[in-house]
Amino acid sequence: DTGVSQNPRHKITKRGQNVTFRCDPISEHNRLYWYRQTLGQGPEFLTYFQNEAQLEKSRLLSDRFSAERPKGSFSTLEIQRTEQGDSAMYLCASSPRTEGAEKLFFGSGTQLSVL
Amino acid sequence: QKEVEQDPGPLSVPEGAIVSLNCTYSNSAFQYFMWYRQYSRKGPELLMYTYSSGNKEDGRFTAQVDKSSKYISLFIRDSQPSDSATYLCAREGGSYIPTFGRGTSLIVHP
Repeated sequence: DTGVSQNPRHKITKRGQNVTFRCDPISEHNRLYWYRQTLGQGPEFLTYFQNEAQLEKSRLLSDRFSAERPKGSFSTLEIQRTEQGDSAMYLCASSPRTEGAEKLFFGSGTQLSVL
Repeated sequence: QKEVEQDPGPLSVPEGAIVSLNCTYSNSAFQYFMWYRQYSRKGPELLMYTYSSGNKEDGRFTAQVDKSSKYISLFIRDSQPSDSATYLCAREGGSYIPTFGRGTSLIVHP
């Protein structure tokens, strides 16, 4: 399967703990996005990378959140000192960024539950 | 005001019905509008996109944009139970980043 892969699929943690998620994009895609989705809402943009460069972060993104994409391949999203409000589905998407509309290919997400 | 507004539904229709899903948006500066389909516990998948005003057809699906009224529509003909999902509209934003609506839940019953 050459789609976007996210691990783990589910993560349960206690408030105050740190968590890290991984995303493996489609290999030839140069853009990688992180979105967050809560029940009954659409995906909310968090940040994106063009190759290894993190070009934009949502102003809603707390400084407890950090993302990396070393060597422009896989990406990790870390949340420090988790809070109950961080409970959500974290979606990763990649894009080839060609002319025309931005076409996102999403993974199946990591469901985070903070107790 | 949210940038992309969608009625969350659920919208329940019988199999074979024509379905109309709609969104409104607030910023006219961008040109591309997209529809994604999301099944339960899965990531969204791109269904189709349109540029500015006009229609685009792909099989049973037709996307329509009316820039004068800032209205986006998706029509599904001959709806099937397998079409039951959440449909997310999105518009392209700065740096091409898509902004999504909250999605409309569609249920097609046999």
